Amino acid sequence: AQRVTQPEKLLSVFKGAPVELKCNYSYSGSPELFWYVQYSRQRLQLLLRHISRESIKGFTADLNKGETSFHLKKPFAQEEDSAMYYCAPPGGGGADGLTFGKGTHLIIQP
Amino acid sequence: GAGVSQTPSNKVTEKGKYVELRCDPISGHTALYWYRQSLGQGPEFLIYFQGTGAADDSGLPNDRFFAVRPEGSVSTLKIQRTERGDSAVYLCASSVTGVGVNTEAFFGQGTRLTVV
Repeated sequence: AQRVTQPEKLLSVFKGAPVELKCNYSYSGSPELFWYVQYSRQRLQLLLRHISRESIKGFTADLNKGETSFHLKKPFAQEEDSAMYYCAPPGGGGADGLTFGKGTHLIIQP
Repeated sequence: GAGVSQTPSNKVTEKGKYVELRCDPISGHTALYWYRQSLGQGPEFLIYFQGTGAADDSGLPNDRFFAVRPEGSVSTLKIQRTERGDSAVYLCASSVTGVGVNTEAFFGQGTRLTVV
């Protein structure tokens, strides 16, 4: 099964500073990776997926096969970015579903 | 409805009791997933339905946990002889097909289960 590691439980940065949320994966083949976000008192929702190479709310994530990483980045953090962020490949338990990392709690200080 | 709906939003039960948690997926979504999220942890996969059948139930922790989806839409997660360690937020998600490269999972707001 595909697995991800999010080494930081908590990340605190000041508003306007760059943000990088780390995610490393450990499996072979072509990875399919997502970032999900959970804002306070809201449900878990998709932020972005690597296949679409899109930028959502200023966030981007590049798949680095050499480093087996899929770090989430934003050049200038905003207070509304404070949330829990989860890196996830498909493959929870079997061939389908999502296997989530433990999550990183991002706090943006004013 | 507009999104995945889970009821109840909160459930407090006594140790040893039986509970049922309900999930209404987005209409037309064939895939449905149950996850459990303990404090400070990411969601942990429990079971995945494709239509009416459980395609993968390898995440269910033991035989006290069971889930059904008899008509391919609403699903019920059933927990027998609840234990304090079962306390968690139980999340349900659905997707158009099985989660893959271009398939997004839509989550409900969760049911917070507290076993006292």
